[in-house]
Amino acid sequence: NAGVMQNPRHLVRRRGQEARLRCSPMKGHSHVYWYRQLPEEGLKFMVYLQKENIIDESGMPKERFSAEFPKEGPSILRIQQVVRGDSAAYFCASSPLKWSEAFFGQGTRLTVV
Amino acid sequence: AQKVTQAQTEISVVEKEDVTLDCVYETRDTTYYLFWYKQPPSGELVFLIRRNSFDEQNEISGRYSWNFQKSTSSFNFTITASQVVDSAVYFCALSPEAGTASKLTFGTGTRLQVTL
Repeated sequence: NAGVMQNPRHLVRRRGQEARLRCSPMKGHSHVYWYRQLPEEGLKFMVYLQKENIIDESGMPKERFSAEFPKEGPSILRIQQVVRGDSAAYFCASSPLKWSEAFFGQGTRLTVV
Repeated sequence: AQKVTQAQTEISVVEKEDVTLDCVYETRDTTYYLFWYKQPPSGELVFLIRRNSFDEQNEISGRYSWNFQKSTSSFNFTITASQVVDSAVYFCALSPEAGTASKLTFGTGTRLQVTL
């Protein structure tokens, strides 16, 4: 059973471009969580999704950021018109149930130049 | 608002030494959950432990032990007889929910370097 797969591992975007980060949860996991780690800071919760539903997006910036978890395929975190301040490591975690142990992926390191 | 403070940015020890990683938290919730995660050089976060606010019993798992003290709002982590494979960044986290990835508030982490 493969772990949580995030791709790409490293992503470089120019200011103004779009960034799409993908997260494939572990098999049988229908709960996905996204976190962002800014340099020298701890991870910060962004959004919690179940299949086809956004459950809690209280940590998502109001503009330019969106997330989805379709019925088929990976969860996608989309950042439109990226700015230098979006440079960070973005982590995804998945769990089979909300209260059960979640497993984190290795993260996607986004660099905006 | 919730807050987690890990005052030790980096710790360096020699193999076989014991090391304690400090974690102090702030919350107004009466029910809350505390966590420790390990982030090895490969980058993923590995769940180590979850404790709820009503269970102050210390826990031991092999060379790892945790000391939860509600009176001082601390949840410290001790590694006994450290090994090189323990080298990683360790994060303490707090959540109002039991899920191990639900609305966690993380500290800034402590980088542990274990050398021969």
